[in-house]
Amino acid sequence: GAGVSQSPRYKVAKRGQDVALRCDPISGHVSLFWYQQALGQGPEFLTYFQNEAQLDKSGLPSDRFFAERPEGSVSTLKIQRTQQEDSAVYLCASSPRSRSYEQYFGPGTRLTVT
Amino acid sequence: SQQGEEDPQALSIQEGENATMNCSYKTSINNLQWYRQNSGRGLVHLILIRSNEREKHSGRLRVTLDTSKKSSSLLITASRAADTASYFCATDAGLAGGTSYGKLTFGQGTILTVHP
Repeated sequence: GAGVSQSPRYKVAKRGQDVALRCDPISGHVSLFWYQQALGQGPEFLTYFQNEAQLDKSGLPSDRFFAERPEGSVSTLKIQRTQQEDSAVYLCASSPRSRSYEQYFGPGTRLTVT
Repeated sequence: SQQGEEDPQALSIQEGENATMNCSYKTSINNLQWYRQNSGRGLVHLILIRSNEREKHSGRLRVTLDTSKKSSSLLITASRAADTASYFCATDAGLAGGTSYGKLTFGQGTILTVHP
């Protein structure tokens, strides 16, 4: 079946631009996570949704980062006024349950801020 | 911030040899998971070991967990060139009361290269 998909796969933004990154989780998956992976590092947690409810946004680095999942399926991560330090791969993962379980990751969106 | 350390940072072996990667973490955990990441691809879940388990096997993979030392190891036996990838451990610290929704904290990873 279809896995987690993310779009765009690559995004180049000029500093100060706003960007929107999309995640299509596996159909029916309750949990959705966003992670940020800097070059040469492991992913770092950004935020978590259970259906449409954003239950944890403790990892969002600043108020320029905003995520939503209005209908409990597709999610969008928005970054306003991008900065060079926002350059990273943004990974989305989904899980079928609302409790700890293996996560299915998308291919990521590589964001480069110039 | 990263949960802990993985070592080695890079490992280079010949096909057929075994590869062992270690992971240490700092807080108590609900479970620990290992993921593989190939160049240009997303993370793929390999195995999950719960805090009350000490060892788990899956095909050529063997994972151990020592909660007293806050460490885990991943052994890949009879390695293949296709095993070349970055390997990450990820811990789920859980929530108060022992529940968890699955928030993962990843290590920095081990880059494994298997030469044909």
